[in-house]
Amino acid sequence: QKEVEQDPGPLSVPEGAIVSLNCTYSNSAFQYFMWYRQYSRKGPELLMYTYSSGNKEDGRFTAQVDKSSKYISLFIRDSQPSDSATYLCAMSESGGGADGLTFGKGTHLIIQP
Amino acid sequence: ETGVTQTPRHLVMGMTNKKSLKCEQHLGHNAMYWYKQSAKKPLELMFVYSLEERVENNSVPSRFSPECPNSSHLFLHLHTLQPEDSALYLCASSQGPGAGSPLHFGNGTRLTVT
Repeated sequence: QKEVEQDPGPLSVPEGAIVSLNCTYSNSAFQYFMWYRQYSRKGPELLMYTYSSGNKEDGRFTAQVDKSSKYISLFIRDSQPSDSATYLCAMSESGGGADGLTFGKGTHLIIQP
Repeated sequence: ETGVTQTPRHLVMGMTNKKSLKCEQHLGHNAMYWYKQSAKKPLELMFVYSLEERVENNSVPSRFSPECPNSSHLFLHLHTLQPEDSALYLCASSQGPGAGSPLHFGNGTRLTVT
C-alpha cells in the first residue's frame, strides 16, 4: 500500500526558530524522497531531492531520511516569514514520475514575524 | 517565458460545458503530467506522457481526456464534469519519466464546477 502520512498543521512558529517537518511512510520500496514548497495560489516547487538514507543540506534547509524507521524530515534553520507555505513530502520507488510520486497531504507552516 | 505555464488560471464551468486546460513547458523536458490537487488530499497523478505517448492513466474518468501534440504542450479536455471535480489541476514536466527526474510544476488551473 502506497501511503504517506503528514501532519497537515497548521504549524505556527516565531521567526528565527528551527522548524521540523516530518513524514512517515509504509512502502519499504521507496528510495527517492523529495520536499516541495507550495505558496498560496502557486504550484509546488522542488526544495530537496534525496536518494536512500542520510542527510542532505542546502543553505538553511536540511533533509533527513531514515529508511529503517520509514521516516523523513525537513529542517529549516533561522526561519523567515517568507518560509510560510505548505510543505509537501513526496517519494517514489524509481525517482521519476511515471510510476507516480506518492505525496503527503502537506503541512501548512506559518512563521510569525 | 520560462518553466511551466498553465492557462487559464481560473475556470468556472457548468456540468454540461466543454472546456480545455492548456500547459506549456519551456524546459526542454520529455515527459509531462497532469495532477489533481483537492483540499485536504494528497496530489493525485492523473496522466503521464513520455515523448508524446501516454504511459500512465490512473483510472481517471473518461470525462477527462488528455492530449499531448508535442513534447512542449499538454491539454486536458473536460466535458460533463461533476461538482466533485472542482480542484486545482497541476501540470508538471520532467527530463524523463524515469529515475533522477524530479518534477517541475506549473501554477495550476483552479477549476470550479457548478
